Amino acid sequence: AQSVAQPEDQVNVAEGNPLTVKCTYSVSGNPYLFWYVQYPNRGLQFLLKYITGDNLVKGSYGFEAEFNKSQTSFHLKKPSALVSDSALYFCAVRVPYNQGGKLIFGQGTELSVKP
Amino acid sequence: DAGITQSPRHKVTETGTPVTLRCHQTENHRYMYWYRQDPGHGLRLIHYSYGVKDTDKGEVSDGYSVSRSKTEDFLLTLESATSSQTSVYFCASSRDRDLHHSPLHFGNGTRLTVT
Repeated sequence: AQSVAQPEDQVNVAEGNPLTVKCTYSVSGNPYLFWYVQYPNRGLQFLLKYITGDNLVKGSYGFEAEFNKSQTSFHLKKPSALVSDSALYFCAVRVPYNQGGKLIFGQGTELSVKP
Repeated sequence: DAGITQSPRHKVTETGTPVTLRCHQTENHRYMYWYRQDPGHGLRLIHYSYGVKDTDKGEVSDGYSVSRSKTEDFLLTLESATSSQTSVYFCASSRDRDLHHSPLHFGNGTRLTVT
Protein backbone atom coordinates (compact mmCIF):
# COMPACT_ATOMS: atom_id res chain seq x y z
CA ALA A 1 0.00 0.00 0.00
CA GLN A 2 1.14 3.53 -0.70
CA SER A 3 1.75 5.68 2.34
CA VAL A 4 3.64 8.68 3.61
CA ALA A 5 4.69 9.38 7.17
CA GLN A 6 5.80 12.54 8.93
CA PRO A 7 7.31 11.33 12.20
CA GLU A 8 7.24 14.70 13.98
CA ASP A 9 4.00 16.45 14.92
CA GLN A 10 5.93 19.64 15.71
CA VAL A 11 9.32 21.11 14.95
CA ASN A 12 10.66 24.12 16.85
CA VAL A 13 13.48 26.21 15.40
CA ALA A 14 15.11 29.51 16.27
CA GLU A 15 15.04 32.17 13.57
CA GLY A 16 18.20 32.06 11.46
CA ASN A 17 18.89 28.41 12.20
CA PRO A 18 18.53 25.67 9.59
CA LEU A 19 15.32 23.65 9.64
CA THR A 20 14.41 20.13 8.59
CA VAL A 21 10.93 18.64 8.37
CA LYS A 22 11.04 14.88 7.89
CA CYS A 23 9.06 12.68 5.52
CA THR A 24 9.31 9.02 4.64
CA TYR A 25 7.27 7.21 2.02
CA SER A 26 6.23 3.80 0.78
CA VAL A 27 5.19 3.48 -2.85
CA SER A 28 5.39 0.95 -5.64
CA GLY A 29 7.27 2.10 -8.70
CA ASN A 30 8.93 5.46 -9.09
CA PRO A 31 7.90 7.92 -6.38
CA TYR A 32 6.41 11.28 -7.21
CA LEU A 33 6.75 13.36 -4.04
CA PHE A 34 5.46 16.75 -2.98
CA TRP A 35 5.55 19.28 -0.18
CA TYR A 36 2.66 21.61 0.56
CA VAL A 37 2.40 24.36 3.19
CA GLN A 38 -0.71 25.56 5.04
CA TYR A 39 -0.85 28.94 6.74
CA PRO A 40 -3.54 29.57 9.40
CA ASN A 41 -7.09 29.62 8.05
CA ARG A 42 -5.87 29.04 4.51
CA GLY A 43 -5.77 26.16 2.07
CA LEU A 44 -2.62 24.27 1.20
CA GLN A 45 -0.09 25.80 -1.18
CA PHE A 46 2.32 23.87 -3.37
CA LEU A 47 5.99 24.23 -2.35
CA LEU A 48 7.99 21.79 -4.44
CA LYS A 49 8.03 18.36 -6.05
CA TYR A 50 10.37 15.53 -6.95
CA ILE A 51 9.69 13.65 -10.16
CA THR A 52 13.08 12.54 -11.43
CA GLY A 53 16.63 13.80 -11.79
CA ASP A 54 18.63 15.72 -9.21
CA ASN A 55 18.02 14.48 -5.69
CA LEU A 56 18.01 18.05 -4.34
CA VAL A 57 14.89 19.90 -5.38
CA LYS A 58 14.46 23.63 -4.93
CA GLY A 59 11.09 25.24 -4.39
CA SER A 60 9.29 28.36 -3.25
CA TYR A 61 10.32 30.69 -0.40
CA GLY A 62 13.88 29.31 -0.23
CA PHE A 63 12.83 25.78 0.65
CA GLU A 64 14.47 22.68 -0.77
CA ALA A 65 14.00 18.97 -0.31
CA GLU A 66 16.36 16.04 -0.55
CA PHE A 67 15.20 12.79 -2.10
CA ASN A 68 16.94 9.71 -0.73
CA LYS A 69 15.87 6.53 -2.45
CA SER A 70 17.76 4.13 -0.18
CA GLN A 71 16.18 5.65 2.93
CA THR A 72 12.80 6.26 1.19
CA SER A 73 12.86 9.80 2.53
CA PHE A 74 12.04 13.25 1.20
CA HIS A 75 13.00 15.72 3.92
CA LEU A 76 12.17 19.42 3.59
CA LYS A 77 14.98 21.84 4.42
CA LYS A 78 15.80 25.50 4.61
CA PRO A 79 19.24 26.91 5.45
CA SER A 80 17.95 29.83 7.52
CA ALA A 81 14.47 29.81 9.05
CA LEU A 82 12.21 32.87 9.21
CA VAL A 83 9.42 33.54 11.70
CA SER A 84 7.10 33.77 8.69
CA ASP A 85 7.90 30.12 7.86
CA SER A 86 5.79 29.08 10.84
CA ALA A 87 2.99 26.96 9.35
CA LEU A 88 1.74 23.41 8.88
CA TYR A 89 3.71 21.38 6.34
CA PHE A 90 2.42 18.34 4.47
CA CYS A 91 4.36 15.75 2.54
CA ALA A 92 2.46 13.86 -0.18
CA VAL A 93 3.05 10.98 -2.57
CA ARG A 94 1.24 10.31 -5.83
CA VAL A 95 -0.41 6.94 -6.12
CA PRO A 96 0.33 5.04 -9.37
CA TYR A 97 -2.18 5.60 -12.16
CA ASN A 98 -3.47 2.03 -12.00
CA GLN A 99 -4.53 2.82 -8.44
CA GLY A 100 -6.10 6.18 -9.22
CA GLY A 101 -3.19 8.58 -9.53
CA LYS A 102 -4.29 10.63 -6.53
CA LEU A 103 -2.20 12.24 -3.80
CA ILE A 104 -1.84 10.68 -0.36
CA PHE A 105 -0.92 13.19 2.33
CA GLY A 106 1.03 12.73 5.53
CA GLN A 107 -0.49 13.85 8.80
CA GLY A 108 1.34 17.16 8.78
CA THR A 109 4.14 18.75 10.82
CA GLU A 110 3.68 22.06 12.56
CA LEU A 111 6.76 24.23 12.21
CA SER A 112 7.26 26.95 14.79
CA VAL A 113 10.06 29.47 14.25
CA LYS A 114 10.78 31.71 17.23
CA PRO A 115 12.59 35.06 17.07
CA ASP B 1 -3.80 31.05 -7.47
CA ALA B 2 -6.54 29.03 -9.13
CA GLY B 3 -9.26 31.23 -7.69
CA ILE B 4 -11.12 28.65 -5.66
CA THR B 5 -13.92 29.90 -3.45
CA GLN B 6 -15.59 27.74 -0.83
CA SER B 7 -18.88 28.56 0.87
CA PRO B 8 -19.79 28.77 3.61
CA ARG B 9 -16.52 29.29 5.49
CA HIS B 10 -18.08 28.14 8.75
CA LYS B 11 -21.19 26.13 9.51
CA VAL B 12 -22.76 24.61 12.59
CA THR B 13 -25.49 22.05 12.03
CA GLU B 14 -27.37 19.39 13.96
CA THR B 15 -26.98 15.67 13.71
CA GLY B 16 -29.24 14.17 11.05
CA THR B 17 -29.60 17.27 8.90
CA PRO B 18 -28.39 17.43 5.30
CA VAL B 19 -25.59 19.86 4.53
CA THR B 20 -24.21 21.07 1.21
CA LEU B 21 -20.80 22.67 0.81
CA ARG B 22 -19.99 24.59 -2.32
CA CYS B 23 -16.79 24.99 -4.30
CA HIS B 24 -16.39 27.38 -7.22
CA GLN B 25 -13.27 27.73 -9.38
CA THR B 26 -12.56 30.28 -12.08
CA GLU B 27 -9.59 28.65 -13.83
CA ASN B 28 -11.47 26.18 -16.00
CA HIS B 29 -9.68 23.27 -14.33
CA ARG B 30 -11.05 19.92 -15.35
CA TYR B 31 -10.26 18.03 -12.14
CA MET B 32 -11.74 18.89 -8.75
CA TYR B 33 -11.44 17.23 -5.34
CA TRP B 34 -12.96 17.31 -1.89
CA TYR B 35 -10.76 16.55 1.11
CA ARG B 36 -11.34 16.56 4.84
CA GLN B 37 -8.63 17.58 7.28
CA ASP B 38 -8.51 16.09 10.75
CA PRO B 39 -5.78 16.20 13.40
CA GLY B 40 -3.48 13.20 13.12
CA HIS B 41 -4.87 12.23 9.72
CA GLY B 42 -3.69 14.97 7.42
CA LEU B 43 -5.91 15.33 4.37
CA ARG B 44 -8.07 12.47 3.19
CA LEU B 45 -9.80 12.36 -0.19
CA ILE B 46 -13.60 12.13 -0.06
CA HIS B 47 -14.63 12.37 -3.71
CA TYR B 48 -13.19 13.75 -6.90
CA SER B 49 -14.39 14.75 -10.34
CA TYR B 50 -12.68 14.38 -13.69
CA GLY B 51 -15.24 16.36 -15.66
CA VAL B 52 -18.83 17.56 -15.72
CA LYS B 53 -21.07 14.80 -14.34
CA ASP B 54 -18.03 12.53 -13.92
CA THR B 55 -17.21 11.75 -10.30
CA ASP B 56 -15.65 8.97 -8.30
CA LYS B 57 -15.11 7.96 -4.69
CA GLY B 58 -12.04 8.65 -2.63
CA GLU B 59 -10.85 6.86 0.49
CA VAL B 60 -13.48 8.25 2.93
CA SER B 61 -16.62 8.60 0.80
CA ASP B 62 -19.20 6.96 3.10
CA GLY B 63 -21.91 9.43 4.09
CA TYR B 64 -20.98 11.91 1.36
CA SER B 65 -22.17 12.55 -2.17
CA VAL B 66 -21.02 15.02 -4.79
CA SER B 67 -22.33 16.65 -7.93
CA ARG B 68 -20.70 18.56 -10.76
CA SER B 69 -23.18 20.12 -13.17
CA LYS B 70 -20.75 22.77 -14.45
CA THR B 71 -16.99 22.85 -14.87
CA GLU B 72 -16.63 25.58 -12.28
CA ASP B 73 -18.83 24.15 -9.50
CA PHE B 74 -18.35 21.07 -7.32
CA LEU B 75 -20.82 20.41 -4.50
CA LEU B 76 -20.29 18.15 -1.50
CA THR B 77 -23.41 16.92 0.33
CA LEU B 78 -23.56 15.25 3.72
CA GLU B 79 -26.78 13.34 3.39
CA SER B 80 -27.41 13.07 7.14
CA ALA B 81 -24.71 14.78 9.14
CA THR B 82 -23.05 12.93 12.03
CA SER B 83 -20.67 14.17 14.70
CA SER B 84 -17.85 12.19 13.06
CA GLN B 85 -18.17 14.51 10.08
CA THR B 86 -17.11 17.50 12.13
CA SER B 87 -14.01 18.57 10.24
CA VAL B 88 -12.43 21.15 7.99
CA TYR B 89 -13.29 20.51 4.36
CA PHE B 90 -11.07 21.60 1.50
CA CYS B 91 -11.83 21.80 -2.16
CA ALA B 92 -8.99 21.60 -4.68
CA SER B 93 -8.61 21.67 -8.43
CA SER B 94 -5.99 20.80 -11.02
CA ARG B 95 -5.61 21.41 -14.72
CA ASP B 96 -4.36 17.93 -15.52
CA ARG B 97 -4.77 14.43 -14.19
CA ASP B 98 -0.98 14.31 -13.89
CA LEU B 99 -0.57 15.91 -10.50
CA HIS B 100 3.19 15.98 -10.91
CA HIS B 101 2.75 18.36 -13.84
CA SER B 102 -0.24 20.23 -12.50
CA PRO B 103 -0.17 20.72 -8.73
CA LEU B 104 -3.33 20.97 -6.69
CA HIS B 105 -4.75 24.42 -5.94
CA PHE B 106 -6.77 24.64 -2.75
CA GLY B 107 -9.60 26.76 -1.44
CA ASN B 108 -9.47 28.25 2.05
CA GLY B 109 -11.63 25.58 3.62
CA THR B 110 -15.01 25.20 5.32
CA ARG B 111 -15.09 24.49 9.03
CA LEU B 112 -18.12 22.28 9.73
CA THR B 113 -19.33 21.46 13.23
CA VAL B 114 -22.04 18.85 13.72
CA THR B 115 -23.67 19.05 17.16
